[in-house]
Amino acid sequence: DSGVTQTPKHLITATGQRVTLRCSPRSGDLSVYWYQQSLDQGLQFLIQYYNGEERAKGNILERFSAQQFPDLHSELNLSSLELGDSALYFCASSVGGSAANYGYTFGSGTRLTVV
Amino acid sequence: LAKTTQPISMDSYEGQEVNITCSHNNIATNDYITWYQQFPSQGPRFIIQGYKTKVTNEVASLFIPADRKSSTLSLPRVSLSDTAVYYCLVVPSDTGRRALTFGSGTRLQVQP
Repeated sequence: DSGVTQTPKHLITATGQRVTLRCSPRSGDLSVYWYQQSLDQGLQFLIQYYNGEERAKGNILERFSAQQFPDLHSELNLSSLELGDSALYFCASSVGGSAANYGYTFGSGTRLTVV
Repeated sequence: LAKTTQPISMDSYEGQEVNITCSHNNIATNDYITWYQQFPSQGPRFIIQGYKTKVTNEVASLFIPADRKSSTLSLPRVSLSDTAVYYCLVVPSDTGRRALTFGSGTRLQVQP
């Protein structure tokens, strides 16, 4: 157990629908990062939050949004889902605003299947 | 951000030492070099991080030359359970607003 909790572990939904993925960072970590990994693809950075505020943005689609709450858990909202959104979505956390010094700690991911 | 280049795949046998090299020619002064391991359908796991020279932990060693334009992850005496994808990541130490994306990684296959 890495200490980063992601729910749900699996999600199957239809095209056009909206889903919410949840992440609780490791205790003491202030940053949360979201990554998308499609089949046989690398990890694509989506977005980072640090202590409740957006810190960095990657290749996140406009149909996707995220936020970090006062208790530091984060939610990734995916709307108007398309077949191509099927992927593993990972959440990672780090102590500070950068992953230097202590690295990222990843959760076990949410596998999203859009049918 | 420094772009990284790694071999796409490597093959080895149990008991051998494996060295995976990563190029990061435009690494910045404040950047760290970090390596992660990922098994199928699992999140990446932090292996080791360094800034310069050599770093060693219970799992691996990381060699970084003086110019820091490359780094080599060394796995001593690999076993079948070391079969995984290994990612090299250059991480800025500052809190600037920059995206952090993993490269394609190196797929290591260990055979008996």
